[in-house]
Parts: sequence; structure tokens; C-alpha cells
Amino acid sequence: AQSVTQLGSHVSVSEGALVLLRCNYSSSVPPYLFWYVQYPNQGLQLLLKYTSAATLVKGINGFEAEFKKSETSFHLTKPSAHMSDAAEYFCAVSDMGYSSASKIIFGSGTRLSIRP
Amino acid sequence: EPEVTQTPSHQVTQMGQEVILRCVPISNHLYFYWYRQILGQKVEFLVSFYNNEISEKSEIFDDQFSVERPDGSNFTLKIRSTKLEDSAMYFCASSESRAGEQYFGPGTRLTVT
Repeated sequence: AQSVTQLGSHVSVSEGALVLLRCNYSSSVPPYLFWYVQYPNQGLQLLLKYTSAATLVKGINGFEAEFKKSETSFHLTKPSAHMSDAAEYFCAVSDMGYSSASKIIFGSGTRLSIRP
Repeated sequence: EPEVTQTPSHQVTQMGQEVILRCVPISNHLYFYWYRQILGQKVEFLVSFYNNEISEKSEIFDDQFSVERPDGSNFTLKIRSTKLEDSAMYFCASSESRAGEQYFGPGTRLTVT
């Protein structure tokens, strides 16, 4: 079975500060890992994904994440926070291609707040 | 850019009523999914659908739920007799292949009173 754990349900940083959202995964097969962002009253937007190529993955809006197999982690970072980054962020895992279905398993989410 | 669309954006229904949530996946996609998000909670997988049949369903997807692709464009989720706990945001997604990126629609907020 696959799962993800997001550490911290709420993270608050100052504008211009480093953003670090933590995610650890569990998977019995090589995982596909994702970060999604959800703005208030909107759907899910894919920020970035890891599919067993480069371990450092760059996404949209200046976000990036590093896959660390030894730590089973896939933390999301952004060097300098912007007010527009305030949203809910979901880490997710899938075993796409290894089982009969490609369901995505989501973490519980981290709400990112940006202080002026 | 092609996108997944969902209607209605908000549905209010009384307990025990049947509801049908509609989705139009991206036109060349072959795999379809429903997820739900209860307010304040994480997004949960409900069901995946391929080649006119269910590929996998979660424990949540009990006999009250059904999915259908009635024509070449729509993908629907039916809840036969809604319960209060069915109140949630329901997201449809589609992908071109089994391992392909899933594109999510904007969601339908279902409120059961």
C-alpha cells in the first residue's frame, strides 16, 4: 500500500522567506510523487511531479522538490515566498504503471500562509 | 488548452435524493477518475474507469455510487440515495494513459441537507 505524510498542517512564512513543506512517502514499488496546489474554492493544480528521472524536480511558480529515497522524502521548497503562494498544498503518491489502476493517494495537506 | 469541465459547480440536495454529477474529460483521454474532498480533509480516491468498466474502486465507493460514460464525451457519478456524509467537493480527472498525468476538473460542491 502507498501513503504520504505531510508534516505540519499549517505553515506560515514571511514574504521573501524560504518556503519548505515536508512530505514523506511510503511505497512498496518505485513511486510517482506529486505536489498539487489548491487555491481557495478552486480545483487542484499540478505543481510538479517525480517519475524516476532527475531527483530534483522543478515545477511551476518557482517551486521545486527533491526526491530522497534514503529518507523517503519529497519536500517542496521555494527560495522566496510571494503573497500569491498562499494556498493549500497536497503531496501525493501513485504507483502508475505497476498496478491495475493509477489512483493518486493524497496527503492531508499543508496550508501555507504568507505574512507581509 | 484542453481542460476537464464539471457541472454543476454547486449542487444542493435533500437526504435520500439521487444526484448525478457530470464531467467532460479531455477529448483524447481514455482513463477517468472520481475523487472527493470532505471540507477540511484530504482528497480521497473513489473510482477509476477505463474501457467502459471500473478499474478500481475504494471502500468509499459502495453500492450507492455508480459511474457511467453514457456517450463519447460525458463521464458521470451517480449517488442513488444521498446521505449527509456525502457532502463534499467531488473532483473528476482524466488521463491519456494509465501512467499519464491526471488532469483535474474544478470540482462540484455537493451539499446534502
